[in-house]
Amino acid sequence: QQQVKQSPQSLIVQKGGISIINCAYENTAFDYFPWYQQFPGKGPALLIAIRPDVSEKKEGRFTISFNKSAKQFSLHIMDSQPGDSATYFCAATPFNTGNQFYFGTGTSLTVIP
Amino acid sequence: DTAVSQTPKYLVTQMGNDKSIKCEQNLGHDTMYWYKQDSKKFLKIMFSYNNKELIINETVPNRFSPKSPDKAHLNLHINSLELGDSAVYFCASSQGSPTYFGPGTRLTVT
Repeated sequence: QQQVKQSPQSLIVQKGGISIINCAYENTAFDYFPWYQQFPGKGPALLIAIRPDVSEKKEGRFTISFNKSAKQFSLHIMDSQPGDSATYFCAATPFNTGNQFYFGTGTSLTVIP
Repeated sequence: DTAVSQTPKYLVTQMGNDKSIKCEQNLGHDTMYWYKQDSKKFLKIMFSYNNKELIINETVPNRFSPKSPDKAHLNLHINSLELGDSAVYFCASSQGSPTYFGPGTRLTVT
C-alpha cells in the first residue's frame, strides 16, 4: 500500500514558470514532511521540509504548502530554471523517531529553456 | 567530506553470484538504512539498523542480508543474485530526521 501518493508523475515547465508537485497521505502519525531532489546518477538530497505546525515554509524559490485537515502538501518551485530539472520525491515520517521515511513515487521535472 | 559513502558505484555480475555493497557514514548517526530504487525510480526501504540492531526488515528475500559491524557501517550482502535484483541501492543514515543518502550503487545482473 502506497503510504504517500504523489502527482504528477512527470512535469514539463517553461523556464521562469511555476512547478507544482502534490502529495497526499493518510497516516495521521506522520508529522515530518521532507522533499528530496534527485539528479541522475546521484542520491536523493534533502531540499526542504515542513512540520504540520505551520501551513507554509519558504526557502528561496522553493515553498512547501501544507494542509493538515486535507492531509495534503505540495512543493512549489517559483521561477523554475533548467538546473531544477530532476526527480522530486515527497516523503513522510513521524518526526525524530528514526523511523523509516515513506516516499512518494517521484515526479520527473523538466524545465525547458 | 563525504557524509554517506558507498562502494562500489557500479556492480555488474551474473545470475547466481554473491556480491556485497559497503556503506559508511561519518555523520555520527545512530540509524542506517538500505533503500532500493527500481527502474521506475520508486524508492523502497529494505532494512533499517539502529545502533547496530535491526529495527526494520521489510519484505525482502532472505538472499539479502545486512551486516552492521559498527554504528558507522552497514553493508549489504546479496546471495544467488537474480535478474530482478537489478536496481540502484542507496545507503542512508539519520539521527531522527532528516535522512541523508549515499550516492547509490547501480547493480546490474546479467
